[in-house]
Amino acid sequence: QSALTQPPSASGSPGQSVTISCTGTSSDVGGYDYVSWYQQHPGKAPKLIIYEVSKRPSGVPDHFSGSKSGNTASLTVSGLQAEDEADYYCSSYVGSSNLVFGGGTKLTVL
Amino acid sequence: QVQLQESGPGLVKPSQTLSLTCTVSGDSIISGGYYWSWIRQRPGKDLEWIGYIYYSGTTYYTPSLESRVSISVDTSRNQFSLRLNSMTAADTAVYYCVKDATGYGELDTWGQGTLVTVST
Repeated sequence: QSALTQPPSASGSPGQSVTISCTGTSSDVGGYDYVSWYQQHPGKAPKLIIYEVSKRPSGVPDHFSGSKSGNTASLTVSGLQAEDEADYYCSSYVGSSNLVFGGGTKLTVL
Repeated sequence: QVQLQESGPGLVKPSQTLSLTCTVSGDSIISGGYYWSWIRQRPGKDLEWIGYIYYSGTTYYTPSLESRVSISVDTSRNQFSLRLNSMTAADTAVYYCVKDATGYGELDTWGQGTLVTVST
């Protein structure tokens, strides 16, 4: 069982917005502003798309955005595109130089 | 631009020790103050942070694997390595070497991953 809880699946039509949640506790998501999100296409390594809750690395499209409220972080994908279909994982720093992940969410573009 | 490449055996027998090496190219492993990490992904997709090493040699491990794992760095070869002993079928996974830019989980550069199967 993963430390952080994500819905196993999410879906939306092209052009729509989809939000994926990542729920933890006050010891991880709620306690630190070090939540990251990763996109993973089949057979590929994960790719960082959001770090420190809401920051985007250079080159990541601005239709990816992140936020946090209490013990739940969220990733919003706006203006869904076919290439956004992938698995998405959240992670959180948990103190003492430790990191935990969510179980992943499969995003389907209908 | 930093690139990472894992190398090591694809098959390990139960009870044996896994040894993987990650070669860093495009930058020196001692520059930038980065944390050099190992992460694995078992079949069924969950990601698991194993641990990381700072270029100075300071290491941090996940508690569940701490008794079996060791990460080391060879600055002369620009490499860092993972050793995981007493391997079981539950350790079958794709192992990634990853650069953590801050030590707080900003995993901005990943190797392609290497599948390690534990089997007789």
